[in-house]
Amino acid sequence: SYELTQPPSVSVSPGQTASITCSGDKLGDKYVCWYQQKPGQSPVLVIYQDFKRPSGIPERFSGSNSGNTATLTISGTLAMDEADYYCQAWDTTTVVFGGGTKLTVL
Amino acid sequence: QVQLVQSGAEVKKPGASVKVSCKASGYTFTDYYMHWVRQAPGQGLKWMGWINPNSGGTNYAQMFQGRVTMTRDTSISTVYMELSRLSSDDTAVYYCARVPRDGDYIDYWGQGILVTVSS
Repeated sequence: SYELTQPPSVSVSPGQTASITCSGDKLGDKYVCWYQQKPGQSPVLVIYQDFKRPSGIPERFSGSNSGNTATLTISGTLAMDEADYYCQAWDTTTVVFGGGTKLTVL
Repeated sequence: QVQLVQSGAEVKKPGASVKVSCKASGYTFTDYYMHWVRQAPGQGLKWMGWINPNSGGTNYAQMFQGRVTMTRDTSISTVYMELSRLSSDDTAVYYCARVPRDGDYIDYWGQGILVTVSS
């Protein structure tokens, strides 16, 4: 079965750029989306179709996808961006999530 | 505005079944697929499957095949997910989540339902 691999944790200082990767075989051939989840809350879509931002998502969130790796980038990271982030893609007719990355802003 | 309102928390014994619901409002119910995703305590997101509210067609993740059934009632814009032969490993928050018909992302999530399996 298809697998998406994310680092368990990433740390960033406030105001700096955070990059969270998601790796999978030929992932660049698929669309990737990203969700942010804060404790006790439902996930929220922050990037879809590799780089598109839903309405209401700040411009500091951006995405890219090429080769075997997709990347979520948060520029000028704020304390409120501290959360778990999950990548997601489709493998034919099934949905696959990455294991999640805990972003710590310190 | 789009809302997905799920039923309340459940406590079940091992071996039992649970049926949870998700009522949609604020959009045309049959225009969007509904997925179910679960999250065990402290763990990541796990996709369970989807239902096409228009046709009733379903597609389940292999790990849940034979134990999960997703249905819908278009008259009340509600989808249901039933999971049978519960074990403690099924203790999790269960989310319903909307996906556009021609989309590949979840744009709205329900609030989640905690299902606890304990003897």
